[in-house]
This record gives sequence, structure tokens and C-alpha cells, in this order.
Amino acid sequence: GNSVTQMEGPVTLSEEAFLTINCTYTATGYPSLFWYVQYPGEGLQLLLKATKADDKGSNKGFEATYRKETTSFHLEKGSVQVSDSAVYFCALSTGGSNYKLTFGKGTLLTVNP
Amino acid sequence: DSGVTQTPKHLITATGQRVTLRCSPRSGDLSVYWYQQSLDQGLQFLIQYYNGEERAKGNILERFSAQQFPDLHSELNLSSLELGDSALYFCASSDPSSGRVYNEQFFGPGTRLTVL
Repeated sequence: GNSVTQMEGPVTLSEEAFLTINCTYTATGYPSLFWYVQYPGEGLQLLLKATKADDKGSNKGFEATYRKETTSFHLEKGSVQVSDSAVYFCALSTGGSNYKLTFGKGTLLTVNP
Repeated sequence: DSGVTQTPKHLITATGQRVTLRCSPRSGDLSVYWYQQSLDQGLQFLIQYYNGEERAKGNILERFSAQQFPDLHSELNLSSLELGDSALYFCASSDPSSGRVYNEQFFGPGTRLTVL
């Protein structure tokens, strides 16, 4: 079956620090990969996506590259802001007749001023 | 605002009771997904409906059921509630008819269920 493993948090950084959240996956078939973000008290929002090997997803300064050879999709940002404090979820979907998402356990990021 | 609405926002009930959670998808989205978020299990897919029909099932207990109505809103019914059912329940919607490789899901704000 499908599974996603992401680094456990919580992660606490100072403003303008570099962020990496590791994510690896196991999937049958050729998955699409996603990072979702959950701000306090809100639902999940799609942050970025990649649908094939070597694709780089990017949004709001965040980036992640689909690495088929290492089955990874690590999230990075060069300079985090206080407003980036949230829970980040790595997820995959193998499509087909449905597009259900398989999520990692989430990583809580806190950015201090 | 994702365009997906869920009611109620919070629900507090007792063990053994039955509750119904409601979801209205984004306008035009035919597919609805239900997910459960709990501290120990994380975010888990429960069930998907597409245009009124069940499309896929995940880790959904037999005590739980769902349906999607002709107006495309969906309800998740949880019965014989146990303490362990306390969780945040999310609904998401998408338009799988777009023919794209991936299918973006838009999530509602969730319903927080507390079973006492």
C-alpha cells in the first residue's frame, strides 16, 4: 500500500532561518506528490504539488522536488517568516478511479521573531 | 476560503450516541472526500463519493456511513460513538472530470467532534 513518512516535529526556527522538512514515500504506481499546510484553526490548503519525476513544485517561497530515485519530496524555504508557523503535511495520490490522499503525520513549524 | 463548508464546527456528545456531519462542496465539484484527523492516527482517508455514488473506501469503521445527495452535499453519520472517535473530521471536494493527472482537493474547515 501507499505510505508517507515525514520528519517528526515540532520544528522551531528563528525568522529568516532556512527550513527543510523531509518527506519520503512508498507507493504502488506513479504517484503525484503534494505539500499541504494547515494554519491554526483552519482546514488544509494545498501549498505545492509535483506530478512527475524531477518536477519542482513551488509557491510562496517554498519548494520541493520530486525525486523518484530516492522516493523523496523534501520541503524547503530559504527564509521563513512568523506567518509560516503552521502544520505541514506531505501527501501522495496515485489517481486512477479515485484521487484519495495518503498523508504523512504532519510537522508543526513554529517561527519565532 | 476554499468554498467548502462544513457544519457544525464543533460537536460535543456522549458515548453511544449518533451524530451527523454535513459538507457542502465547492460549486461544480462532483467528488466529496471525508478524512479523519486524530492525534494518534494522523490524517486518514475515510470515504469518497462521486456524483452520488460511493467511489472508494478507506479506513472507515462499520459504525460510520456516508452518503451524497442529488444536490451534491454529503453527510457523514457516526453511530455508537466511542471516546476514540473524538477527532477533527474534514470534508474535501474536487472536480475529477477535468482529466488532469492530479486532482486538487479543496478542504473545508472541519468539524471537531468530542465524545465524552
